[in-house]
Amino acid sequence: AQSVTQPDARVTVSEGASLQLRCKYSSSVTPYLFWYVQYPRQGLQLLLKYYSGDPVVQGVNGFEAEFSKSNSSFHLRKASVHWSDSAVYFCAVSIFVATGGNNKLTFGQGTVLSVIP
Amino acid sequence: EAAVTQSPRNKVAVTGGKVTLSCNQTNNHNNMYWYRQDTGHGLRLIHYSYGAGSTEKGDIPDGYKASRPSQENFSLILELATPSQTSVYFCASGDTGYEQYFGPGTRLTVL
Repeated sequence: AQSVTQPDARVTVSEGASLQLRCKYSSSVTPYLFWYVQYPRQGLQLLLKYYSGDPVVQGVNGFEAEFSKSNSSFHLRKASVHWSDSAVYFCAVSIFVATGGNNKLTFGQGTVLSVIP
Repeated sequence: EAAVTQSPRNKVAVTGGKVTLSCNQTNNHNNMYWYRQDTGHGLRLIHYSYGAGSTEKGDIPDGYKASRPSQENFSLILELATPSQTSVYFCASGDTGYEQYFGPGTRLTVL
């Protein structure tokens, strides 16, 4: 079974600063990896995803993430944060089961990002 | 654009009562999911479905039933609601692309 750890429950940064949110996964095979964002009182929105290929993937709003098989990590980065990036960020993993099969997502516990204006 | 809607958005129920949460998707996805979100636990999978007529147990199915009468609709049923089921519930749909699309959530309070 796969698992996800987001070691930082809360991160606070100043507007304009760079950001890294950490995600470590455990899986017997190379999983599919996702970052989702949740704004207050809303559902989760997909930021970016990694299936294979280039380990650095680009997402929406200037976010990117880098997959590292050797470190079992999928860290999220942004060069310059804006106050509107304040939200909860979830890392998630799934593994390929079979063609047409289910793709259960396993979520980390989330990181609350606060951006100080 | 992908669309998942949930109703009701907020619900107050009494202990021992029956609660039905509804989810509708217009994505034509085969798979649908019910999660609950609690502080300190992230999202946990309750039930999921491969298609109309199918339901499968997720990681925390006890106290919940699910129903998938059509491709578009997936319901979560609490036959005898308990205060421990107070939570925010999210429905999601997904298909061969493997990402899931989430609804806005239902906030359930069981008194």
